[in-house]
Amino acid sequence: QVQLVQSGAEVKKPGSSVKVSCKTSGGAFASYPISWVRQAPGQGLEWMGRIIPIVDITNYAQKFQDRVTITADKSTSTAYMELSSLRSEDTAVYYCARASPPDSWGQGTLVTVSS
Amino acid sequence: DIQLTQSPSFLSASVGDRVTITCRASQGISSYLAWYQQKPGKAPKLLIYAASTLQSGVPSRFSGSGSGTEFTLTINSLQPEDFATYYCQQLNSYPRTFGQGTKVEIK
Repeated sequence: QVQLVQSGAEVKKPGSSVKVSCKTSGGAFASYPISWVRQAPGQGLEWMGRIIPIVDITNYAQKFQDRVTITADKSTSTAYMELSSLRSEDTAVYYCARASPPDSWGQGTLVTVSS
Repeated sequence: DIQLTQSPSFLSASVGDRVTITCRASQGISSYLAWYQQKPGKAPKLLIYAASTLQSGVPSRFSGSGSGTEFTLTINSLQPEDFATYYCQQLNSYPRTFGQGTKVEIK
């Protein structure tokens, strides 16, 4: 069974960056896309971008194009999402998810942006 | 970007009811639509993909239909564990947008 385990909660200052990891196990890593989706408190789901590790192709939502970088380390079956220039509105739970459509999800990582 | 509009945003129903949620796309997306269920504090769970294909392990009381711009998720005989928020997502183009969600609560 595929499992995605994300890194722990983060508290960041405005203007800083955060990097969230997503380690997969129990299935093939490189050939499936890994997407990142976030959910602000009490709000809906927001797609941020995705990577296909085997070819290192990424797609980003225009909204995050200038601030987000999604990478993958095939040697450790781990994907990463880095978001820069953080502001309070980036406070959210960040999820990674595997495949398209995503059928396996990480547990979520709460990122709190506060001065 | 393709906009997805779900209706209703909120519905109150009883155990045993039949529930229908609609998702309308701002442009045609063929059958590239998925439905998810999310419970508080949990990650979304894939229910249906390709508009009408039931994900493995999902109870058969869930069904999906539609193509183009209008889609529906139907839950036959609502069960206590079905009270949750439901989202549609289009997989036709980038960004892979979601609907705003439909919260199903107990009447």
